[in-house]
Amino acid sequence: SQTIHQWPATLVQPVGSPLSLECTVEGTSNPNLYWYRQAAGRGLQLLFYSVGIGQISSEVPQNLSASRPQDRQFILSSKKLLLSDSGFYLCAWMGTGYGYTFGSGTRLTVV
Amino acid sequence: QKEVEQDPGPLSVPEGAIVSLNCTYSNSAFQYFMWYRQYSRKGPELLMYTYSSGNKEDGRFTAQVDKSSKYISLFIRDSQPSDSATYLCAMSASGGYQKVTFGIGTKLQVIP
Repeated sequence: SQTIHQWPATLVQPVGSPLSLECTVEGTSNPNLYWYRQAAGRGLQLLFYSVGIGQISSEVPQNLSASRPQDRQFILSSKKLLLSDSGFYLCAWMGTGYGYTFGSGTRLTVV
Repeated sequence: QKEVEQDPGPLSVPEGAIVSLNCTYSNSAFQYFMWYRQYSRKGPELLMYTYSSGNKEDGRFTAQVDKSSKYISLFIRDSQPSDSATYLCAMSASGGYQKVTFGIGTKLQVIP
């Protein structure tokens, strides 16, 4: 069966520090992968999606970036965090089109 | 106007009640409709998935889609305290990797 791993679960970072969140998927090949952010009272916001290695589409221009160095690995990064980057970050994959499978999420607090 | 509108609640009901959760949408191109359940500090999990109009039932859960009214519903029968969570509606114009638009989520509390 397919599983998705996301870490860390919680992160507190100072403003201006770098960020790296990692997501890996097991049990499937060439998955469509997604990064979402969930902010209080704002719902889920699609940040990036990828349909293959090195293929990244950005939905929202901001100081975040994403990379897909391997088929089942998706990384969310930032060079300098802003206070507004705080939120709950979710990695997800979509297999045959029947909805997303989400990871357990990373709660990021920028202080 | 948001593409998907959902009342954030909170909605409190006694155990055993029938719960009705709803979303309205404005994009007539939406054809795929989903409901996700999200427990506190966890990622959402897919609960129901329907295509186009009609009803779909799975145990105590029933999803309804009325495309003519641009209105979708999730009914929970015999609600349990374990159903306490945030329920997010989601929809897309096509399957696959196309963009999915989510509602803000309705927080449900089932009181024993």
